[in-house]
Amino acid sequence: AQTVTQSQPEMSVQEAETVTLSCTYDTSESDYYLFWYKQPPSRQMILVIRQEAYKQQNATENRFSVNFQKAAKSFSLKISDSQLGDAAMYFCAYRSAPGNTPLVFGKGTRLSVIA
Amino acid sequence: GAGVSQSPSNKVTEKGKDVELRCDPISGHTALYWYRQSLGQGLEFLIYFQGNSAPDKSGLPSDRFSAERTGGSVSTLTIQRTQQEDSAVYLCASIDLAGVTDTQYFGPGTRLTVL
Repeated sequence: AQTVTQSQPEMSVQEAETVTLSCTYDTSESDYYLFWYKQPPSRQMILVIRQEAYKQQNATENRFSVNFQKAAKSFSLKISDSQLGDAAMYFCAYRSAPGNTPLVFGKGTRLSVIA
Repeated sequence: GAGVSQSPSNKVTEKGKDVELRCDPISGHTALYWYRQSLGQGLEFLIYFQGNSAPDKSGLPSDRFSAERTGGSVSTLTIQRTQQEDSAVYLCASIDLAGVTDTQYFGPGTRLTVL
């Protein structure tokens, strides 16, 4: 079975600075997808970024980018120019290749942004 | 269009009572998932529906949990004889497997408290 580990229960960052959230995973599959979701206090899970394992190029979405190291099974999220609205729980998630398989989540990292 | 909606937003019940949680997926989405988020934990898969196929119930923690999806749209998660360990946020997600991006979209969840 696949597992996802987020080793940082809490992180903090100064407004406008950069922060990196760590995620490692364990799988024997070669084809899969990785995701970062944001969960603000409203509880709504919001997709931040996704990465297909077969793509070597790291995904980027505006201020959010990932460092995907397939051999090391590492998938970190970098948030640049942090904003107060970035404060939330961030979850790393894994999904096997077929689109209908459920997501496997890490336990999350709570990010605080300091003004 | 409208996103995934869930009701009620919060539910407080007494130990031993039955509860029903409702999920309205995005219109046209072919698949629906239920997840449970316990305090300090990531999301845990419960059950999955796709079209008219038999649901994947592999994540249900006990036979007190059941779910149905009527008409390929609305889903109801039922917990019988609730226990205090059932207290959690229950999240629903839907996905359009025939769409361009096979991304799961989440509802705001139902926070269940069992006294």
